[in-house]
Amino acid sequence: EVQLVESGGGLVQPGRSLRLSCAASGFTFDDYAMHWVRQAPGKGLEWVSGISWNSGSIGYADSVKGRFTISRDNAKNSLYLQMNSLRAEDTALYYCAKLSPAQAFDYWGQGTLVTVSS
Amino acid sequence: QSALTQPASVSGSPGQSITISCTGTSSDVGSYNLVSWYQQHPGKAPKLMIYEGSKRPSGVSNRFSGSKSGNTASLTISGLQAEDEADYYCCSYAGSSNWVFGGGTKLTVL
Repeated sequence: EVQLVESGGGLVQPGRSLRLSCAASGFTFDDYAMHWVRQAPGKGLEWVSGISWNSGSIGYADSVKGRFTISRDNAKNSLYLQMNSLRAEDTALYYCAKLSPAQAFDYWGQGTLVTVSS
Repeated sequence: QSALTQPASVSGSPGQSITISCTGTSSDVGSYNLVSWYQQHPGKAPKLMIYEGSKRPSGVSNRFSGSKSGNTASLTISGLQAEDEADYYCCSYAGSSNWVFGGGTKLTVL
């Protein structure tokens, strides 16, 4: 059974940093691209960032480019999101999602909540 | 990276059919056959319903279908059921390792 478990969320002050993690199991992690998608309270889904199986291809939404860094450790079956210079508008539930070979997000975690507030 | 355009809400009675549109540009929806659709119930993670524009993952009801014409993709749900009441999001590859979601559509089953 595929499982994606996010962690690392919490309350953080504007301008500070936070690192999210996603632990994957139930599939061959290093065969698949992985992504982060966020959802602000009461709002829609927003794609944040994605990384290919070998970290050779990485993309970021304009809203986080230059502040967030995605990475993965295939030996640990883990995905990460380093978030720097956090802003109030980064407050959201952050989902980790697996990208299928057909280029769709076929499995999602339950999310980890990030709240940016003073 | 502008969000794809979806109607904020749609509604229908049980047994009826509804269609949700998803309008992008020639840089995303119009350029790639990589539109997917997701269903999200309150407090739950999104669930993949349609991929590559019109294909259904195993286990998804055949009441759900997808199509695309030009820069607009569509999700049709036939034989509406109470359990279909949820938020629906489209998503498209936008090139250069970027992806974009629609703003979401709230489906109400009357």
